[in-house]
Amino acid sequence: GQQLNQSPQSMFIQEGEDVSMNCTSSSIFNTWLWYKQDPGEGPVLLIALYKAGELTSNGRLTAQFGITRKDSFLNISASIPSDVGIYFCAGQLSGNTPLVFGKGTRLSVIA
Amino acid sequence: EAGVVQSPRYKIIEKKQPVAFWCNPISGHNTLYWYLQNLGQGPELLIRYENEEAVDDSQLPKDRFSAERLKGVDSTLKIQPAELGDSAVYLCASSSNRGADTQYFGPGTRLTVL
Repeated sequence: GQQLNQSPQSMFIQEGEDVSMNCTSSSIFNTWLWYKQDPGEGPVLLIALYKAGELTSNGRLTAQFGITRKDSFLNISASIPSDVGIYFCAGQLSGNTPLVFGKGTRLSVIA
Repeated sequence: EAGVVQSPRYKIIEKKQPVAFWCNPISGHNTLYWYLQNLGQGPELLIRYENEEAVDDSQLPKDRFSAERLKGVDSTLKIQPAELGDSAVYLCASSSNRGADTQYFGPGTRLTVL
């Protein structure tokens, strides 16, 4: 099925560093979402974006809905060990259409 | 409030055997989803229910997969017969409406087909 292009695939960073990851699509979405998945668990929603250009924060996380509606990015500031996990972006065209997920960015934080 | 419950958490079967997964959504959530997550991939929707009606099953391989949500609450996803390529995590999610921001995922069932 269709998937979004998410990059990078994996990242190794030092504790305290900032992290940036992004997601691009060949088609537009009207909602962009970012999830975190820990081993053995389902994805947990971090941030939802509903409007082109929107910038939303959740603690140390900041995400933006690209102006073209075909991309989004997620920043994590001052990373800590519990940020380790896989981060997924997802797009949705409308409430009647399914979420389309990226392949994920695996984040490792070195203390 | 309890989250989405799935069982079993892990299942190992031999190919050609049948297998079933069970999901209990968050109380009051009318919409229920089953997703397939292959290793190194994001989840992909298999089927979406609004109450007991399957409103989107376009991605469900109907030759071997079936699902039901008889009373509009719990749901079961079945594979018969299982193939090696079915090894994956099967995630259930539920939401109070169709909005993605209200969709909560269960922990998943990890299926290994030998």
